Amino acid sequence: EVQLVESGGALVQPGGSLRVSCAASGFTLSNYSMNWIRQAPGKGLEWLSYISTSTRTKYYADSVKGRFTISRDNAKNSLYLQMNSLRAEDTAMYYCARPRRYDLDAVDIWGQGTMVTVSS
Amino acid sequence: DIQMTQSPSTLSASVGDRVTISCRASQSISSWLAWYQQKQGKAPKLLIYKASTLESGVPSRFSGSGSGTEFTLTISSLQPDDFATYYCQQYNSYLYTFGQGTKLEIK
Repeated sequence: EVQLVESGGALVQPGGSLRVSCAASGFTLSNYSMNWIRQAPGKGLEWLSYISTSTRTKYYADSVKGRFTISRDNAKNSLYLQMNSLRAEDTAMYYCARPRRYDLDAVDIWGQGTMVTVSS
Repeated sequence: DIQMTQSPSTLSASVGDRVTISCRASQSISSWLAWYQQKQGKAPKLLIYKASTLESGVPSRFSGSGSGTEFTLTISSLQPDDFATYYCQQYNSYLYTFGQGTKLEIK
C-alpha cells in the first residue's frame, strides 16, 4: 500500500525548534519531488515547502522562509521539515504530500498529519 | 504568488441537490487545477486534477470544468457522504496555492 506517515509533532515553546519526519512506503520516494503542507486548527490548507528529487531545488512559502528547512534522505525513504524560531501561528497539522506524477502535479497521496503546537 | 479565490465559503444543500463551487485564479493557470474533499480530522482527498479529470475511484457525480482563471466543481446529486469541505488548488507553479475552502452543509 502506498503510504506516507508523519511523526515528530509535539508541544513546543515559542522560539523553539522541532523536526518532523515523513516515512514513505509502497513506492520509491526518490522518484518523486515532495511537499509539506499545513493546516491551522479550523483553517484552510497552506503549502509550505517543495524539494526536488535530487534536493538541488527547494522552495518555501514566505511565511516560513528563513525559519524552516526541508530535506530528504532517499536511502531511508524519508522526508523532513526542520522548524526553527517557532511562533504561535505555526500551530497546525503538518502533512507531507506526494504529487501524482513525480513532480509538479496534484497531490494524490497525503499522510495522516502530525500536530505541532507552539505555546508557552 | 497566484491567489485562488473560492465561492461560496459555505453552502447549505439537501441530499439529491445539484451544487456548484467556483474557484478563480489571479492569473491564468491553464488547466493546472485540482479539487480536494476534506472531512473533519482527515487528510484531504484528491477528487479531480487537470481541471476536469476524475481521480480513480471518485464517483461520477463529481465533475470539474474550466480553464485559464475560472473553474467549477459540480456535484450532480448530493449524497450524505459528500458533506465536507472542498478546496481548489493550483499547480501551475511549484508554489502551490489553495482556495480558502467551501464547507458544504446539510440544509
